[in-house]
Amino acid sequence: QKEVEQNSGPLSVPEGAIASLNCTYSDRGSQSFFWYRQYSGKSPELIMFIYSNGDKEDGRFTAQLNKASQYVSLLIRDSQPSDSATYLCAVKGGSNYKLTFGKGTLLTVNP
Amino acid sequence: GAVVSQHPSWVICKSGTSVKIECRSLDFQATTMFWYRQFPKQSLMLMATSNEGSKATYEQGVEKDKFLINHASLTLSTLTVTSAHPEDSSFYICSAMDEEKGLNSPLHFGNGTRLTVT
Repeated sequence: QKEVEQNSGPLSVPEGAIASLNCTYSDRGSQSFFWYRQYSGKSPELIMFIYSNGDKEDGRFTAQLNKASQYVSLLIRDSQPSDSATYLCAVKGGSNYKLTFGKGTLLTVNP
Repeated sequence: GAVVSQHPSWVICKSGTSVKIECRSLDFQATTMFWYRQFPKQSLMLMATSNEGSKATYEQGVEKDKFLINHASLTLSTLTVTSAHPEDSSFYICSAMDEEKGLNSPLHFGNGTRLTVT
């Protein structure tokens, strides 16, 4: 049974701060890792994906992957109130391409 | 690129009726599409995997006779909720990936369908 664990939060940060979102996964065979953002009442929107150990940066977002520790994180720099949403960590294994989601972390960025 | 269109965005129906939800990949072909359901304040739960030209694969606990899936072409999958009841009220979301970019490529989601059964 694949499991993806996230801190449920809520996580509250002031505007301009760095928000750090964490995720662990149980299946060592997992090969691809995704962060989705979901606003209330909306469907998930892809933010980042990462396949290799290390950091991947895209604008204000940085995804970090450590396969040895089975850990993936998302950093949001210069957080904005519009970043307030639920962030979903998702993991895809090598044996099939089903996506397993964590329960999400609710982020609130306070003006 | 990789746009997934879902229709309708919301629907209200009476208990006992059936509702069909369409999911289309607009700029890519998808032999496989995925149907998720999300209850309030919960994460997405995979219901079934829709396979073009063959039967859908349902997750444990999902009634295949209640949630009929048809994947008639490489760009269209439909989910029909048959004999809907209030407990079927939920947010249904389809997703697909551009398989030409590899099996580990991201899933892209439709905008979702909010179903309310009265």
